[in-house]
Parts: sequence; structure tokens; C-alpha cells
Amino acid sequence: EAGVAQSPRYKIIEKRQSVAFWCNPISGHATLYWYQQILGQGPKLLIQFQNNGVVDDSQLPKDRFSAERLKGVDSTLKIQPAKLEDSAVYLCASSLAAETIYEQYFGPGTRLTVT
Amino acid sequence: AQSVAQPEDQVNVAEGNPLTVKCTYSVSGNPYLFWYVQYPNRGLQFLLKYITGDNLVKGSYGFEAEFNKSQTSFHLKKPSALVSDSALYFCAVRVLYGNNRLAFGKGNQVVVIP
Repeated sequence: EAGVAQSPRYKIIEKRQSVAFWCNPISGHATLYWYQQILGQGPKLLIQFQNNGVVDDSQLPKDRFSAERLKGVDSTLKIQPAKLEDSAVYLCASSLAAETIYEQYFGPGTRLTVT
Repeated sequence: AQSVAQPEDQVNVAEGNPLTVKCTYSVSGNPYLFWYVQYPNRGLQFLLKYITGDNLVKGSYGFEAEFNKSQTSFHLKKPSALVSDSALYFCAVRVLYGNNRLAFGKGNQVVVIP
């Protein structure tokens, strides 16, 4: 079974530039998550999708971050414009459904450096 | 708010010795608790979870965790550590009832010394 795919793996941009990350979840997984992991901290949920609908985006900085999952499969997370404090690893995860009994499977992440 | 705390930054253990990674939780209601491991340049991997039932939960790679309600703890254990167990370990708790949104601790770096 293929795992969660993410691209790019690494990205370096200057502040105020824009960047987009892509995630393809495990086939058949209805729930998709984007996390931000700052160095020395645990992952923090940014947004959770159930199919193509948003379940929770309470911790997403909506003035600069946006995400979509238009067809209920792959997803894109965008930052525009980027700030220095956005430097982090962005993790995508998926699960079969949103109920607690289903564990989350994580992708390798995209390491973003904002200079 | 539901949260977990991992009090130690780094755990050093000699290969072959028992490994313990500590986690305490703060929740309202019944806690649903998880352990994940992260190897360098890789995503998090699920190790085990406690939802209900036996307080001793067995997981992947020989790890187990003990749920202790009176001490509000969920410590991760392995009887005999391997060098390959060197990684970053995260404890997590379910945030919302009926949804598997998780809140993670800050992580513990485990270093197994040959």
C-alpha cells in the first residue's frame, strides 16, 4: 500500500513570497490533515478535511494560509505571503475516517525555510 | 483544553537497557492517548493507542505503554532498547469527542548508546 505522498520535500523562499505544498493521501482515506511542526515542538493541526469539506480550520492563520481539497483526494496548502516564522516542516496525514479508532498516517513532510 | 506534557527533552539509554519515555495528560472526560515516533527526515509513525480496556497497551516494534488514571500518565516503555530506537517520540491526545484530531506533546529525543 502506498503511503502519503508530499511534494516538494524541501523549499527555500524569501519572506513575502508565496509557496504551495501538495499532498496525496492513502487511497480511500476520507480524512486529510495538514500539520505545522516548528523545530523543537510537536505538530500543530492547521486544517482537517473530511472528503472535500473542511471539518476544522480553527488554527489556520487565514490571513495568509489557505488549503483546498477540491475533489476529495489530493490537497494543496498555500502560504501567501510567507513570514520568517512560517519556517517549519509541513506534514500531511490521512486516515480512513474521522473517528478516533482510525489512526493517522503521515507523509514525510515538506521542510520550508523562509529567509 | 485537552493536552499532554512530555517533561523530558532527551532520554539517553544504553543499548539493551529498559527504555521509558514519559507522558502526562490533562483531559476532561475519558482520555484517548497515542504514541508516535519520528525518524530523521521522515513523517510520524503510529506506535500504539489507548482508548479503553487493559491499562497495558502493546504496540509496534516491541513498544508498550501503561495507562495510569490516578497519575494521569501514559508512559511509553520498551524492555530492551536498540540503537535503531533512537528517534523523536511524541505523545498525543484526542482533542474532540468523536473526532481523531490530535494535540501533540513537544516530543522527546531518545538516544540509545551502543
